[in-house]
Amino acid sequence: GQQLNQSPQSMFIQEGEDVSMNCTSSSIFNTWLWYKQEPGEGPVLLIALYKAGELTSNGRLTAQFGITRKDSFLNISASIPSDVGIYFCAGQLNTGTASKLTFGTGTRLQVTL
Amino acid sequence: DAGITQSPRHKVTETGTPVTLRCHQTENHRYMYWYRQDPGHGLRLIHYSYGVKDTDKGEVSDGYSVSRSKTEDFLLTLESATSSQTSVYFCAITGLQGGEQYFGPGTRLTVT
Repeated sequence: GQQLNQSPQSMFIQEGEDVSMNCTSSSIFNTWLWYKQEPGEGPVLLIALYKAGELTSNGRLTAQFGITRKDSFLNISASIPSDVGIYFCAGQLNTGTASKLTFGTGTRLQVTL
Repeated sequence: DAGITQSPRHKVTETGTPVTLRCHQTENHRYMYWYRQDPGHGLRLIHYSYGVKDTDKGEVSDGYSVSRSKTEDFLLTLESATSSQTSVYFCAITGLQGGEQYFGPGTRLTVT
């Protein structure tokens, strides 16, 4: 099945640094979602984007829905140790129905003190 | 908290035995999904439901069946478990916006 290209695969950063990751697809999507997953837990929704060009923030997190509808990025500002985890993007073509998500391969974030 | 629980949270079973995983939601949402998560493959859709007794296949449905007799419960059954079905299984529901999905805590299944 299709997977979205997510980069980088992993990041090792120092506390306080800003983080940027992105997701690209060969197909267009109507919705882009960003999730964070910690060990032993399910993915937790961070940000949902519904319009091309949309820029949305959630605390220190900012995400954008690319104008072409084929990409999205997530920025984390001033990283802290609890930001550690795996970040997944997901794209969805149809909304309002039992539509299916296509997931990225994940970006593993490690934060050092 | 999306009001989703999964049971059991961990299970070890032998090859060839039937296994049923349960997803329970308290949000009265119409759409529910089952995913499996494996290293190198990410999250892959097994089956989904768009209402009571209304289900359909996802991309990795072979070897799995589902049932939904009540809005709040979505069951995933492995009729005869195989080692390739060792995985972490997640249930999800669609939120009110219709696009986002919320995930349960997962069930770690090991087939020996």
